[in-house]
Amino acid sequence: DVKVTQSSRYLVKRTGEKVFLECVQDMDHENMFWYRQDPGLGLRLIYFSYDVKMKEKGDIPEGYSVSREKKERFSLILESASTNQTSMYLCASRIGNGYTFGSGTRLTVV
Amino acid sequence: GQQLNQSPQSMFIQEGEDVSMNCTSSSIFNTWLWYKQDPGEGPVLLIALYKAGELTSNGRLTAQFGITRKDSFLNISASIPSDVGIYFCAGPYNNAGNMLTFGGGTRLMVKP
Repeated sequence: DVKVTQSSRYLVKRTGEKVFLECVQDMDHENMFWYRQDPGLGLRLIYFSYDVKMKEKGDIPEGYSVSREKKERFSLILESASTNQTSMYLCASRIGNGYTFGSGTRLTVV
Repeated sequence: GQQLNQSPQSMFIQEGEDVSMNCTSSSIFNTWLWYKQDPGEGPVLLIALYKAGELTSNGRLTAQFGITRKDSFLNISASIPSDVGIYFCAGPYNNAGNMLTFGGGTRLMVKP
């Protein structure tokens, strides 16, 4: 089974901090994604990457950047965290229609 | 991305009852996917639909790809407490089909 691992389940950061959310997959998938989940809004795509060093903006990229230096690792970066970025962040990797999600990182910005 | 409207937003039902939820889009989809998210976990794929009119089952779950290709339905028969979670519909929203858009989710609560 594909495993997608997010490094932290819970994070609390201060406004203005630079925040790194890490995601690692173990099945050599080319496509990786970062979603944000908020009640009633479902999952909204922040960024995705289809290969090393390649990235595309999703629906809500503002305030975020990403890094994909190695195929197995896709990092989401909040350059200067703000309270409206408090949310659940889900990483996924994909082959075919088979998206596999990590368990999520619940980020609170205070 | 395209918007998927999912309803109801939440349901609180008695164990043993059947459940229905649906998802609609203003655009045509060629694939419909249904995911379930258990509390504290990421979503997991339940059923994938690839053809208009298709009816697919996975145990007590049955999903249908609407004839118009703009909607899909998920039914759960004889609900049990472990059905609790959030159910999401999803579909690809770019031509390459490698980006998914999700509905807002249906939160299901089951009373034993």
